[in-house]
Parts: sequence; structure tokens; C-alpha cells
Amino acid sequence: DAKTTQPNSMESNEEEPVHLPCNHSTISGTDYIHWYRQLPSQGPEYVIHGLTSNVNNRMASLAIAEDRKSSTLILHRATLRDAAVYYCILRGVHGSSNTGKLIFGQGTTLQVKP
Amino acid sequence: DAMVIQNPRYQVTQFGKPVTLSCSQTLNHNVMYWYQQKSSQAPKLLFHYYDKDFNNEADTPDNFQSRRPNTSFCFLDIRSPGLGDAAMYLCATSRDGTGGNQPQHFGDGTRLSIL
Repeated sequence: DAKTTQPNSMESNEEEPVHLPCNHSTISGTDYIHWYRQLPSQGPEYVIHGLTSNVNNRMASLAIAEDRKSSTLILHRATLRDAAVYYCILRGVHGSSNTGKLIFGQGTTLQVKP
Repeated sequence: DAMVIQNPRYQVTQFGKPVTLSCSQTLNHNVMYWYQQKSSQAPKLLFHYYDKDFNNEADTPDNFQSRRPNTSFCFLDIRSPGLGDAAMYLCATSRDGTGGNQPQHFGDGTRLSIL
């Protein structure tokens, strides 16, 4: 299964942008890059996903490198409620080794300071 | 409104006493997953159903089984819980398990304690 590498932890100040990096050098051509976050005592929450192009939604933006070997989740203005563990996960399509599965790594624990 | 509902939120059972955790969904999704998350660890997939087809992960202990009587409900059965099975159990759904393009929707989990 293609793996991802993320920093164990990051800190941010409230109302400042946050850039959460993820390396996935063994990504295959059909792997989508998914981001989830998990707040304390809750299940993981879908944030965003993409294949090749940068993506924006109401929660965040996803910037994908041209060679697709890395990506960055961007929270434009961090709030205290964004403090969570953020997981970067590769999800394959039918026929690839990690079809449909989410293989969670250790993620990045984001702390947001007031 | 919650779309993936897990009951109960907290479950206590005795060592070796069978326990069943339940999950229901209002999304009409094809795929339902069960994950185990131990303290300070990432979720780990146990198995999933694609419609009625059961798919077990290779390293899931035989002690863990699952049932999906219909589209909306899925159950996790632990036949003889040991102390090492104390964890948060997460249920998730997705519309199509074969497409990397589909997000998964998680419930808030059931925290299982073993006495």
C-alpha cells in the first residue's frame, strides 16, 4: 500500500493560515489524495480530496504538487475548533492494492493557540 | 442530523462475555466499514461489507465478526473480548468502495471497555 509521511505535530495561532504537508512519493497514477481530521472523542471527518488539480471547498484547500509526490492541506484561518489530528491518506480505485480502503498513518496533531 | 449512527456511545463488558456493537446509516451507501482505534493510535480497518459481500482484513482476529442484515445496519460481534480489545470502534460508510473518489462518512464511535 502506498504510504504517506506527515509531521507528528504542528502549532498555529488562531486566525492565521495553516499549511499541513504530506509526502507520498510512492503514489500511483490512480490514487486519490484524501484528507480527514479527527477531533477529540469524535470519529474522523472527511475534509477534502483530489487527484491532480488543486481543490477548494468550504473547509479547506488542497494543493497537489505537479509530480503528485506531495500535497498540502491549507486551512485559511485557523480557529480553536480546528485543533485535531489531520490524516493524509491515499485511496485507490478498483484494481489497485488499496481499493476503497483508508489506511490511516499517524497523522499530524494540530494545536491552535489563541 | 447524524448520518452514521453508532449505539451505544459507551459499552462496558466483562472479560470473555460476547458483545455486539451496532451501526446504522441513513445514506443508503453500498459499503460499510468497521475500524478499531486504540488509545493514541490511528484507526485500523477490521473489515468491510460491499453490499452483502464481506471482506475481512488479513490480520483481523477471528474473535471479531460482522453481520449486515440489510443496507442500513451493520453489527460488530466480539465473541470473547479480551483486555486488549478495549478500544474505540468506528463505523463508516461510502457510496462505492471501488472508487478512490468516494469519501467515507464516519460515526462517532463506540468506546468499549473490558472489565
